[in-house]
Amino acid sequence: ETGVTQTPRHLVMGMTNKKSLKCEQHLGHNAMYWYKQSAKKPLELMFVYNFKEQTENNSVPSRFSPECPNSSHLFLHLHTLQPEDSALYLCASSHSGGTTDTQYFGPGTRLTVL
Amino acid sequence: AQSVTQPDIHITVSEGASLELRCNYSYGATPYLFWYVQSPGQGLQLLLKYFSGDTLVQGIKGFEAEFKRSQSSFNLRKPSVHWSDAAEYFCAVAPPNTGGGNKLTFGTGTQLKVEL
Repeated sequence: ETGVTQTPRHLVMGMTNKKSLKCEQHLGHNAMYWYKQSAKKPLELMFVYNFKEQTENNSVPSRFSPECPNSSHLFLHLHTLQPEDSALYLCASSHSGGTTDTQYFGPGTRLTVL
Repeated sequence: AQSVTQPDIHITVSEGASLELRCNYSYGATPYLFWYVQSPGQGLQLLLKYFSGDTLVQGIKGFEAEFKRSQSSFNLRKPSVHWSDAAEYFCAVAPPNTGGGNKLTFGTGTQLKVEL
């Protein structure tokens, strides 16, 4: 596989469930990102990892817990979500997290919280 | 705080017609500027970016954008639209010279429909 892949592509969960989103990049990059895309709202940057270290947490509620075990994999652990958390969650990667780097996006996971 | 405004939520053009998508930003200095496109069920793909230098930037798929400092704008253009250009287009900015990650701020997007 090439580029940035995300699994699952669709997820429906109840508010008491625990689930995880997975992102994998095959580009040899060192920076990875989580974004939330809600209807009629701008994409919101959630987390940034650079060389496996978290460098940005954009005031994200603790019910979202990221994990970056290595530069190729990024997870978003979900716990006790709210219906307003339903959105498209996009993962991206870039070479090193520098501001001139191009971010490459995965296709996203469509999350529905019931 | 930086912000991006895309005033047109929806735009419809005929195939072969020219296209201009508007983007205005608010930032203390000149930020780095980007245009992304998102096709249905897909992630975002970078069309072009501006960091400095020539204010007319060429991108992929025949798109170009012009940075106008006096208007705080970075409008996207294409001289002749193809049906495959139907998608959602996002303008984004990033503060220059920051470390620790590329902190993109996105606009709300413009949905482009192409009539055959």
